[in-house]
Amino acid sequence: EAGVVQSPRYKIIEKKQPVAFWCNPISGHNTLYWYRQNLGQGPELLIRYENEEAVDDSQLPKDRFSAERLKGVDSTLKIQPAELGDSAVYLCASSLGSQRSYGYTFGSGTRLTVV
Amino acid sequence: GENVEQHPSTLSVQEGDSAVIKCTYSDSASNYFPWYKQELGKRPQLIIDIRSNVGEKKDQRIAVTLNKTAKHFSLHITETQPEDSAVYFCAARSTDKLIFGTGTRLQVFP
Repeated sequence: EAGVVQSPRYKIIEKKQPVAFWCNPISGHNTLYWYRQNLGQGPELLIRYENEEAVDDSQLPKDRFSAERLKGVDSTLKIQPAELGDSAVYLCASSLGSQRSYGYTFGSGTRLTVV
Repeated sequence: GENVEQHPSTLSVQEGDSAVIKCTYSDSASNYFPWYKQELGKRPQLIIDIRSNVGEKKDQRIAVTLNKTAKHFSLHITETQPEDSAVYFCAARSTDKLIFGTGTRLQVFP
C-alpha cells in the first residue's frame, strides 16, 4: 500500500504568487482532509471531503484558499495569492469514513515557505 | 466546538523511566481519541487510539486511559527508549473531524 501521497514535498514562493498542493489518498478511502500545521503546533483542519463533496470547509480562508476533489479521489489545495503567514506544513489525510471511528493516515506533507 | 488541551508542552525523561502526557477535551459527544507521534520533519503517525466505550487500552509499552466523566485522557509510555523521542499529539473526534492538541515534545535521554 502506497499510503497517502503528497507533492511537492517542499515549496518556496514569493508572496502574492499562487501555489498548489496535490494529494492522492489511500485507495478506497472516501474521506479526505486537508490540515495546516504551523511550527510547534498541532494540525488544524482546513477542509474535509466525503467523496467529491466538501462537507466541512468552515476553517478554509475562502478569500484566497480553494480546494477540489473532482472525481472523489485526488485532491488539490490552492492558495492565491499567498501571504507570508501561509508558511506552514500542509498535510493531507484520508480515512475510510468520518462517520465512524476510523484512524486517519497522513501524508508526508508539503512544507510551504512564503518569502 | 471541540477544544483539546494538552500538557505538558515538553517532557524530558531518562531512558527506562515512564512518561505520561495528559489531554482534556470539552465536547462530551466526542467518541474517539487517537494519539499521534511525529518525528522531526515527518508525518504524524497513529500509535494508539481509544473509543469512548473503553476505559483503557494497552499496546506493548504504550497505554491510553480515558475518563469520560472528567473528559480527559492520557498516554502512558513505559520503559522509554531514545527512539521514543518525538512530538506527541492527542486528538478528539467531534462532529466527524479530529481536533488536535498542541503537542508534547518528549525527549528521552540515554
